[in-house]
Amino acid sequence: GNSVTQMEGPVTLSEEAFLTINCTYTATGYPSLFWYVQYPGEGLQLLLKATKADDKGSNKGFEATYRKETTSFHLEKGSVQVSDSAVYFCALGYDYKLSFGAGTTVTVRA
Amino acid sequence: GAVVSQHPSRVICKSGTSVKIECRSLDFQATTMFWYRQFPKQSLMLMATSNEGSKATYEQGVEKDKFLINHASLTLSTLTVTSAHPEDSSFYICSAREDEEQFFGPGTRLTVL
Repeated sequence: GNSVTQMEGPVTLSEEAFLTINCTYTATGYPSLFWYVQYPGEGLQLLLKATKADDKGSNKGFEATYRKETTSFHLEKGSVQVSDSAVYFCALGYDYKLSFGAGTTVTVRA
Repeated sequence: GAVVSQHPSRVICKSGTSVKIECRSLDFQATTMFWYRQFPKQSLMLMATSNEGSKATYEQGVEKDKFLINHASLTLSTLTVTSAHPEDSSFYICSAREDEEQFFGPGTRLTVL
């Protein structure tokens, strides 16, 4: 079946630090891959996505590349801000259904 | 972007009672909505897919008689937790599909005493 394994947190960083959250997946077929973000008190929001191998999704300074050879979709940001503090979920989409990783809580300190 | 609302945001009920949670797509029509359950510090688990005008499709291990889903219009899906018990306490999240994307509601915190 389809599943997502995500780096466990919590992760605490200083402002302007580099952020990486690892995500690997297991899937049958050719899924789409997503990163969602959940800010405190809010619903999940799509951060970025990639629909096929070697695609790079990017948004708000975050990037992730769909790596079929390593079945990975790691999230990166070069310089985080306090406003990036949130829970980040990696997800796999197939046949309109989403399978989520466990989520990684990121706290950025000023 | 598309907005999805949920009501109520929090509900506390006594064991044995039923609770209804509403999920609305505010500015678009959604033929398909999804219901998830999220345990503390854990991932979202898909419970069921709600299709307008037809029966919901439940994931393996989810009791359809326990979690009743109705999708009577293109903007509203409801989840009713019947005869709720403390183990049903959780965070319930809905999403609505528009084209290839899902838009999520803010969630409903259910506490069963």
